[in-house]
Amino acid sequence: GAGVSQSPSNKVTEKGKDVELRCDPISGHTALYWYRQSLGQGLEFLIYFQGNSAPDKSGLPSDRFSAERTGGSVSTLTIQRTQQEDSAVYLCASSLVGRRSTDTQYFGPGTRLTVL
Amino acid sequence: KNEVEQSPQNLTAQEGEFITINCSYSVGISALHWLQQHPGGGIVSLFMLSSGKKKHGRLIATINIQEKHSSLHITASHPRDSAVYICAVYSNTGNQFYFGTGTSLTVIP
Repeated sequence: GAGVSQSPSNKVTEKGKDVELRCDPISGHTALYWYRQSLGQGLEFLIYFQGNSAPDKSGLPSDRFSAERTGGSVSTLTIQRTQQEDSAVYLCASSLVGRRSTDTQYFGPGTRLTVL
Repeated sequence: KNEVEQSPQNLTAQEGEFITINCSYSVGISALHWLQQHPGGGIVSLFMLSSGKKKHGRLIATINIQEKHSSLHITASHPRDSAVYICAVYSNTGNQFYFGTGTSLTVIP
């Protein structure tokens, strides 16, 4: 079956613009994660969705970042008023069961965001 | 201060060599994961460990909970093993993942 897909694969935007990044998880996976990978840095957790539970937003770096997951499937990460420091690869992952500590996560190819 | 430290940062090996990548962490954990990130960017989960040792093909992962240390070993390395290997721990106090910055491995034919 299809893996996790993300779109767009690359996004170049101007400082101050809003961007939306999309993630399609593997069908049937209840958990969805967003991460950010900046150049030379490790992966950074952003937000976690599990089924119909309230998302864990503790990793979002500022109130310019938000995410939603519609119908327990597709997720959109929105960055408002983008800044140059937002430039990074944004990765989405999904897992079947939703045990955060032990689940195998399946990662998408990422969206490379460049803010000019 | 990084909760997860990996060593070495970069590693070059000749094909066939035995490779060890180390991961040390400073938080209490309930699980540790090893991930592989290929040059194209795709990330694949290799292992999840909460104790002991796991083996998959030429890859072996070990963890010592008391010493807060894990190792990833690759036997009979091959150029296709060239990738960035990332250690990630799930903190049982913070209820979140912490990631190392990765070890970039290049295996030369």
